[in-house]
Amino acid sequence: NAGVTQTPKFRVLKTGQSMTLLCAQDMNHEYMYWYRQDPGMGLRLIHYSVGEGTTAKGEVPDGYNVSRLKKQNFLLGLESAAPSQTSVYFCASSYGLAGPLGDGELFFGEGSRLTVL
Amino acid sequence: DAKTTQPPSMDCAEGRAANLPCNHSTISGNEYVYWYRQIHSQGPQYIIHGLKNNETNEMASLIITEDRKSSTLILPHATLRDTAVYYCIVRARGAQKLVFGQGTRLTINP
Repeated sequence: NAGVTQTPKFRVLKTGQSMTLLCAQDMNHEYMYWYRQDPGMGLRLIHYSVGEGTTAKGEVPDGYNVSRLKKQNFLLGLESAAPSQTSVYFCASSYGLAGPLGDGELFFGEGSRLTVL
Repeated sequence: DAKTTQPPSMDCAEGRAANLPCNHSTISGNEYVYWYRQIHSQGPQYIIHGLKNNETNEMASLIITEDRKSSTLILPHATLRDTAVYYCIVRARGAQKLVFGQGTRLTINP
C-alpha cells in the first residue's frame, strides 16, 4: 500500500518554465491538498479538492493551478515558474467527512523539492 | 478556524515526559484540537485529536482544559526519534482545510 506518492521528488527549473507536480493516493480518499513549505516555516495551503472534479483556493493560490480529473490524482501546475516558488511541496489526502476519524486526519506524501533559478 | 499559540521551541531529556502546550483561547464549540508532527523534512504525521475529553492513543495523550482554551500534548517517554516540529491546529469538522501555524520545535536530548 503506497499511500500518498508525489512525483517528481526533485526538480530544478529556470524562471518562466512550466511544470506539473503529480500526487497520487491509493486509499480512495475524497479530499486532497497541496501545501508548500519554505525554510523554517510552517506549511501553507495552496489549493485543495473535496472530490473528483472540484478544486478550491487555499492561503497562497497565486501562480498555481490544480486539477482533479480522477479521484486518486491531484495535479499542481506552475505555468511560469518564479524564484519565489522555490519551496518544498507536500501533497496530502484525507477520507473526508465519511471517514472513520472524520476529515481532519491527513496523510502526507514525502514532498517534492522545487528550485527555480 | 481559531488561532493557536505555541512556544517556538522546547527541550526535553530522553526518557522523560514531553509536555507541549498550546493556547487556543478563541476556540469555538464545534472546533477540534489536532496535533501533527513533522520529523526533519518529512511530510507531517497525524498524532491525535480531541474535542473536549482527554484522549490517548499509542503515540500520545491530549489533555484539554475544561474551558477548552488550552491543551497539552504529552509524549510519555520521549525518545530521540521524537525530535520534530509539533503543530497544534484548531479546526471545525467539515472545515475542508487544515491550516498549519509555526509549531513548536521539540528537541529530545540524550
